[in-house]
This record gives sequence, structure tokens and C-alpha cells, in this order.
Amino acid sequence: EAGVVQSPRYKIIEKKQPVAFWCNPISGHNTLYWYRQNLGQGPELLIRYENEEAVDDSQLPKDRFSAERLKGVDSTLKIQPAELGDSAVYLCASSTRAGVVSYNEQFFGPGTRLTVL
Amino acid sequence: GDSVTQMEGPVTLSEEAFLTINCTYTATGYPSLFWYVQYPGEGLQLLLKATKADDKGSNKGFEATYRKETTSFHLEKGSVQVSDSAVYFCALSSQGGSEKLVFGKGTKLTVNP
Repeated sequence: EAGVVQSPRYKIIEKKQPVAFWCNPISGHNTLYWYRQNLGQGPELLIRYENEEAVDDSQLPKDRFSAERLKGVDSTLKIQPAELGDSAVYLCASSTRAGVVSYNEQFFGPGTRLTVL
Repeated sequence: GDSVTQMEGPVTLSEEAFLTINCTYTATGYPSLFWYVQYPGEGLQLLLKATKADDKGSNKGFEATYRKETTSFHLEKGSVQVSDSAVYFCALSSQGGSEKLVFGKGTKLTVNP
């Protein structure tokens, strides 16, 4: 079974430029997550989707970040314009539908390492 | 808010040494607790989990016990191997399900032959 696929793996851009990351979750997984991992830190949730709906975007900096998950499968995370502080690894994860009483394991992709110059 | 504090690294051990990575948490209610591992060049993988007090999670020789009285979930392994070299993250989910994981900063482990 294929895992979570992310592209690109690496991206270097200059500040004020736009950038987009793509994620293809595991087939059949309804829930998709985007995390940001700063250097030397653990991942922090940016947004969570249940199918096409963003059910938790409270940590997403909406002035410059946007995300979409068309048809409830692939997802794109965009930054426009990028700032120096956006340099980080952006992780995508997926799981079966989030349960209330049971834990559904999140499967992570390899991430996209963004460097903003 | 919810938070996880884990032992700062890096940790360097010789093969077959005993490993402990400390993890404590702050959360409301009864969180589920996890250890994730990130091998070089790979994504995060769930190593083990515990969903209620006194539960012991185990996998690949690693163990961790959910201690509610000390709000801890320390990771242990009796005899580490070179292949265990990775970054280890302690995490919690306060809502019981998989809605949101809160991670610690990670501890880098290097095992020398």
C-alpha cells in the first residue's frame, strides 16, 4: 500500500514569492492534516480536513496561508507571499475518519522542506 | 493549553546500552499518549501508544507506561541497536480521537557500534 505522498521534497524561494505544496493521502483516508515543523521543534497542526471540509484551521495564518482539498482526496497548501519565518518542513498526514472514543493512527508523508531566502 | 515536554538531546549511546527518554505532559481530561519516530529521510511513524492510565505501549523492544499520577510517558528500551538511531517525539491527543496531536520538541538518538 502506498503511503502519503508529498511534493516537492525541497523548495527554495525568495521572500515575497508564492509557493505551493501538494499532498496525496493514503487511499480511503477521509481525514487529512497539514503540520508545520520548525527546526528543532515538533510538528504543529495547521489545518485538518474531514473529506472536503476544513474542520480545524484555527492555527492557520490566514493572511498568507491557504489550503484546499478538492473532491476530498488530494490537498494543496499555499503560502503567498512567503516570509523568512516560513522556512520549515511542511508535513502532510492522513487517517481514517477521526473517532471520538478510539484513536485512528495518523500516517505521515516525508514532508516538504521549504527554505525562504 | 496542552503541552508535552521531553528530554533534550542529543543522546548518544553505545550499542546494547539501556535507553530512557523522558516525557511529561500537561493536558485537560484524559489524553492519549504516543511516541513517534522519525528515521533519517523518512516521515514520522507511530512507534507505540497508550490510551488510558497504567496502559503500557510496546513495539520493537520499546516500551512506555502511561503514568497519570506523574503525568509521564517515558520511553525505554533495554538494548539499543544502531538501527534505532532516529529522532523520537512524544505526543498527546487530548480529545481521545485523532483530531489533533500535540508534539514535544523531539530527542535525537545516535547509537554507535
